[in-house]
Order: sequence, then structure tokens, then C-alpha cells
Amino acid sequence: GAVVSQHPSRVICKSGTSVKIECRSLDFQATTMFWYRQFPKKSLMLMATSNEGSKATYEQGVEKDKFLINHASLTLSTLTVTSAHPEDSSFYICSAQRDGNEKLFFGSGTQLSVL
Amino acid sequence: AQKITQTQPGMFVQEKEAVTLDCTYDTSDQSYGLFWYKQPSSGEMIFLIYQGSYDEQNATEGRYSLNFQKARKSANLVISASQLGDSAMYLCAMREGYQGAQKLVFGQGTRLTINP
Repeated sequence: GAVVSQHPSRVICKSGTSVKIECRSLDFQATTMFWYRQFPKKSLMLMATSNEGSKATYEQGVEKDKFLINHASLTLSTLTVTSAHPEDSSFYICSAQRDGNEKLFFGSGTQLSVL
Repeated sequence: AQKITQTQPGMFVQEKEAVTLDCTYDTSDQSYGLFWYKQPSSGEMIFLIYQGSYDEQNATEGRYSLNFQKARKSANLVISASQLGDSAMYLCAMREGYQGAQKLVFGQGTRLTINP
């Protein structure tokens, strides 16, 4: 089956630093990827839709300058949390759409802890 | 307005029993899709089952079946003969619009615990 790799799985950083999270589709090309955020014991909240070769589409209430998304190739999307603060601590998970396939393929998630 | 509603924050079920997890949705689209995912404590998202709005028969995948009642806008997940490994968070999701757009909206989730 299709595999989506997300890296790193866990990151701890100091307040004020930036953190980059990578999402790769390993065996298929993904023109669209999605980034979700999940708080403890809560559901997934869609943050943005990442489109290859164009700007990401952000959901209402998500700060574009805080969460930078780059989808430079058909197999890679990155989410950069800029100037991270403790309130940005969360579980971030990406998913990729494979053409002609109904189900989304998810990465394994990244647990971000900002001290 | 909440598009996907899961009214059971937590459920406790005895091993080998069947369990039904509730999910109701709200959409004005004629074409939409409904998904169920399982999320263990590791955080990974495991696809379980899919139901398209035009599918006439309820979807089934092994021990999982989806009780799709279109008029009631419900898409309950039924797990037969539950196992200890079924303990996890279960998330219902909906895709609105045409198949090519896979933007999913998730419900609040139901944390299922299977007791031995």
C-alpha cells in the first residue's frame, strides 16, 4: 500500500526557534497534501491544504506566517513552525492524496514540544 | 455548525462483544464520502472503511461494517467480535464534494476501550 513518511516523529525545541516537519509520499506522487493539528485527546483539525507548485490554502484562524507550508515537489511537503512558542506544542500529522484513490494516506505524525 | 458529530467521547466494551460507534454528519452536497479511521496511542492513522454517498450497500471490511442511513445522515461503525487490540481512538470523517477533493473534516472522536 501507499506509504507516507513524516519526519521527525518527535521534536523538543526552545521557545523562539523554528521547526521544520517533512512529509513525503514514498511510492506515489501527491499533488495535494494536508496538514492537521491534534491536541491531546482531541480530534484532528485541518490546518491547511498544500498544493504542489502553488501557495497553500489555509483554514480560517490558522496563521500563515506562523505555519509556513512549502510543497516544492510532487513527493514532499514541509511545514515550518516559525518562532515556536509553548502554545504551538501539539501533534502535527500530514496526509497525502493519491490520484484515483478514495482514502487519504497519513504520515505517522510529529509530536512538537516547545519549552 | 458541526459537520461531523460523534456523541460518545468514551466507550467501554467487553472483549468479543460487538460495538457500535455513532457518527452523524451535516452536508448539503449530494456527493460526499464518509470515512472511519482508527488512531492507537502511537498516533498513526489507520484507515478502516469508506462509504460513498451514492453507494447503495453498506460498506464492509472484515470485522468492520458501516451502517449507512442516508436519510438520518448517520454513518455508524460496527465492530464485530471486539478484540483487545481494538482499543484506540476512532475518528469519523467526511469528504464533501467531488472525489478529487480529499479535504476531510473529522469528528471529535470516540475513545474505545476493550476490557478482557
